[in-house]
Amino acid sequence: QVHLQGSGPRLVKPSETLSLTCTVSGYSTSSSYYWGWIRQAPGKGLEWIGSLFHSGSTYFNSSLKSRVSISLDTSKTQLSLNLTSVTAADTALYYCACSTGWSYFDYWGQATLVTVSS
Amino acid sequence: IVLTQSPGTLSLSPGERATLSCRASQSVDKNYLAWYQHKPGQAPRLLIFGASTRASGIPDRFSGSGSGTDFALTISRLEPEDFAVYYCQQYRRAPPLFTFGPGTKVEI
Repeated sequence: QVHLQGSGPRLVKPSETLSLTCTVSGYSTSSSYYWGWIRQAPGKGLEWIGSLFHSGSTYFNSSLKSRVSISLDTSKTQLSLNLTSVTAADTALYYCACSTGWSYFDYWGQATLVTVSS
Repeated sequence: IVLTQSPGTLSLSPGERATLSCRASQSVDKNYLAWYQHKPGQAPRLLIFGASTRASGIPDRFSGSGSGTDFALTISRLEPEDFAVYYCQQYRRAPPLFTFGPGTKVEI
């Protein structure tokens, strides 16, 4: 059973870089998993931010592509999200998630609240 | 691909049947259509993948159907714990892209 644990709430100033981590456990490193980040702005629906495939390739929402990066550390226990030049529009709940079937997310971490404010 | 969900809000009582619609602006491979349940303060929960396959542990009162541009999630008899927001999600293979619909709120 894959378990994902997001980091605690964050307060980030406008124009700064948001860095989030998600601790992952309970999965086989020899199997193929697909990792992702999804967010939900206040009063809005779910928005896919990007994904890291088991091949190492990354794919991003076109609206965020120029500002986002996703990585998994060498121990394969820390999934990271970096989002540069944040604005108030980046205020949201951020979820890390895992896919065992590449086209959907079957395991989710608890949300991390990110507030962008000076 | 843009996903449109209807209705925006569905007001029903426990025991009633709920039918939620998800319409895509272009044809979606049915293998790549999923449904999620989302409750306040919780992470989204995968209900259905491949348009009609229930995820592990999902009760059989939840069923998915459809193909092409029209998909549906049906809850045969609403239980109190089923009142939540439901999202459809599609996946495009090349290049990989995930898109969520705007959601349908099922309320008492």
